[in-house]
Amino acid sequence: AQTVTQSQPEMSVQEAETVTLSCTYDTSESDYYLFWYKQPPSRQMILVIRQEAYKQQNATENRFSVNFQKAAKSFSLKISDSQLGDAAMYFCAYRRSRYNNNDMRFGAGTRLTVKP
Amino acid sequence: DTAVSQTPKYLVTQMGNDKSIKCEQNLGHDTMYWYKQDSKKFLKIMFSYNNKELIINETVPNRFSPKSPDKAHLNLHINSLELGDSAVYFCASSQDRGIRGAKNIQYFGAGTRLSVL
Repeated sequence: AQTVTQSQPEMSVQEAETVTLSCTYDTSESDYYLFWYKQPPSRQMILVIRQEAYKQQNATENRFSVNFQKAAKSFSLKISDSQLGDAAMYFCAYRRSRYNNNDMRFGAGTRLTVKP
Repeated sequence: DTAVSQTPKYLVTQMGNDKSIKCEQNLGHDTMYWYKQDSKKFLKIMFSYNNKELIINETVPNRFSPKSPDKAHLNLHINSLELGDSAVYFCASSQDRGIRGAKNIQYFGAGTRLSVL
């Protein structure tokens, strides 16, 4: 079974600084997808960034970027120029790419606090 | 327009009651899901439906029954509610046929907080 591990239950960053959230996963598959979702206090789950395992280039979305290390099965999220609105729970997730096997596995989450 | 909408947002009920949570998506997606998020924020999939057909049915009590009248709806019915059912339930949808780049992104509803007293 695929598992996703987020080893940092809580992280804190100063506004305008950079923070990196860690995620590792376990799989025997070669083709899969990885995601970071953000859950602010409003409870809404918001997709932050996505990475396809077959792509070597790290995904970026504005201030958010990932460091995808396929051999090490590591998928960390870097948030640059942190803003107060970035404060939330962040979940790393894994999903196989095969059609008809749609389940997505989530890590336990990292609570990010942004200090003004 | 809300892409994935769940109703109600909050549900408070007594043990032993039967309740339903509704979910609708207007994205034209072919797959819908139910997740449970417990008090420790852990998210776990419960069910997945593709084109009205059950694909995933994780180990959940059979008191939980998903019902998909059409591709755009996946409702969750819970019989004989127990204290341990208290959680936030999320509906999600994705498009699993089509160009590779568009697939596999799951869009979530805002969640339904269920409190069983």
